[in-house]
Amino acid sequence: NAGVTQTPKFQVLKTGQSMTLQCAQDMNHEYMSWYRQDPGMGLRLIHYSVGAGITDQGEVPNGYNVSRSTTEDFPLRLLSAAPSQTSVYFCASRRGSLGNTIYFGEGSWLTVV
Amino acid sequence: GQNIDQPTEMTATEGAIVQINCTYQTSGFNGLFWYQQHAGEAPTFLSYNVLDGLEEKGRFSSFLSRSKGYSYLLLKELQMKDSASYLCAVTGGYQKVTFGTGTKLQVIP
Repeated sequence: NAGVTQTPKFQVLKTGQSMTLQCAQDMNHEYMSWYRQDPGMGLRLIHYSVGAGITDQGEVPNGYNVSRSTTEDFPLRLLSAAPSQTSVYFCASRRGSLGNTIYFGEGSWLTVV
Repeated sequence: GQNIDQPTEMTATEGAIVQINCTYQTSGFNGLFWYQQHAGEAPTFLSYNVLDGLEEKGRFSSFLSRSKGYSYLLLKELQMKDSASYLCAVTGGYQKVTFGTGTKLQVIP
C-alpha cells in the first residue's frame, strides 16, 4: 500500500541550482497535483494534471515545470532555485472527478540558501 | 477564480464541541473537502460533501449549503489530539482543488 510517494523528504539547494521533486502513485489515479505550503498561506496549487500528457497551471506556477508522461509519475522541476521557493511541497492524487478522497504524499522540505 | 475563507485560529476546551466555518466563492463547484493536518505532517482526509446537508462520521460532521457557499466542520467530544489545522478545499472547474488557508485549532484542558 504505497499510495503517493514523493522524494526527497529533505533538500538544501543553493540559489540558482535546479532540481526535481519526484512523485509517484500506484492507485491509477487520473488527477495529480503539486502544492506548496508556507506559514499562514495554506496549501497553494502550483501545477496539476488530469491525465497523462495533460498539465495545467495552478495559482503559483512561476519557477516550476511539470510533465506527465505516465499515469503514475508527476515530477516537479525547479528550474533555477530562489530563496522564495523555500517551502514544504506536497504531491497529491485523486481518482478523477469522481474521486472523493485526495491522497497526499508525506511532503518534501526544501530550503534554498 | 476561487476564494475560500476560514477563521485563522480557534481555541476550545477538551470535551466540548467546536464548529469551524468555511465560506467560498467559486466558478464551478463540484464538491468540498475537509482535511486535518498536524504540524509537520501531511493533510489527512476527513470528509467530502457534494450535496447539501449534514454528513456524520463518528465525532466529526460536515455540513454543506451550496446556495450559500458555506460549509462547516463540527467536532464533538474534543480530545487533545484534535489540536491541528483544519483545511477546507473546494473542487471547481477542470478538477482544480483549491485549499483555504486553514484554521488552527487549539484544544485546552
